[in-house]
Amino acid sequence: EIVMTQSPATLSVSPGERATLSCRASQSVSSNLAWYQQKPGQAPRLLIYGASTRATGIPARFSGSGSGTEFTLTISSLQSEDFAVYYCQQYNNWYTFGQGTKLEIK
Amino acid sequence: EVQLVESGGGLVQPGRSLRLSCAASGFTFDDYAMHWVRQAPGKGLEWVSGISWNSGSIGYADSVKGRFTISRDNAKNSLYLQMNSLRAEDTALYYCAKDTGIAAAGTNAFDIWGQGTMVTVSS
Repeated sequence: EIVMTQSPATLSVSPGERATLSCRASQSVSSNLAWYQQKPGQAPRLLIYGASTRATGIPARFSGSGSGTEFTLTISSLQSEDFAVYYCQQYNNWYTFGQGTKLEIK
Repeated sequence: EVQLVESGGGLVQPGRSLRLSCAASGFTFDDYAMHWVRQAPGKGLEWVSGISWNSGSIGYADSVKGRFTISRDNAKNSLYLQMNSLRAEDTALYYCAKDTGIAAAGTNAFDIWGQGTMVTVSS
């Protein structure tokens, strides 16, 4: 099983600032990596797939990068609605999710 | 509107069975693989099972293999999860999720999610 490790567990950032979230795979997943956003009481929402392609309707302030085992989700200028939990998911060998990063208001 | 609506959750005793359903609408159901993903209270996401567009490829997480069975009825635009020999650790919100492709063996992300149905396993 491929293990996905996200860091940090919690990230405190002020509105308007940049947030950088990391995800590491225990073995290469090529570019088969997605990012999801989940707000309290809501289902996850697909943000990024293929490591760097934004899903339909996702604002340009969200960007993804990386390949192999190291991946990054960057939110360029945080809006109030961006504070949530973010999960990475590999789909190179079946599916596994990271444990999540909680992005909170500083 | 593209929509997934889960049903069938509830309180069940350990060792008993439960069948979850997911009704799909707003897209061509048999063009896509489908999945079940669960989330224990206060915890992260765990992929449970996936099924390809024609049921030809099916996969399970090790934690449910041999106990859960996924199926679909393309004529009814519906996805199912038969859960047997339930354990306390199966307690979670179960989401139905649409794949962006036809296969289910780890090839695509999940672009549409339902709101989930809660399963509680307790005596």
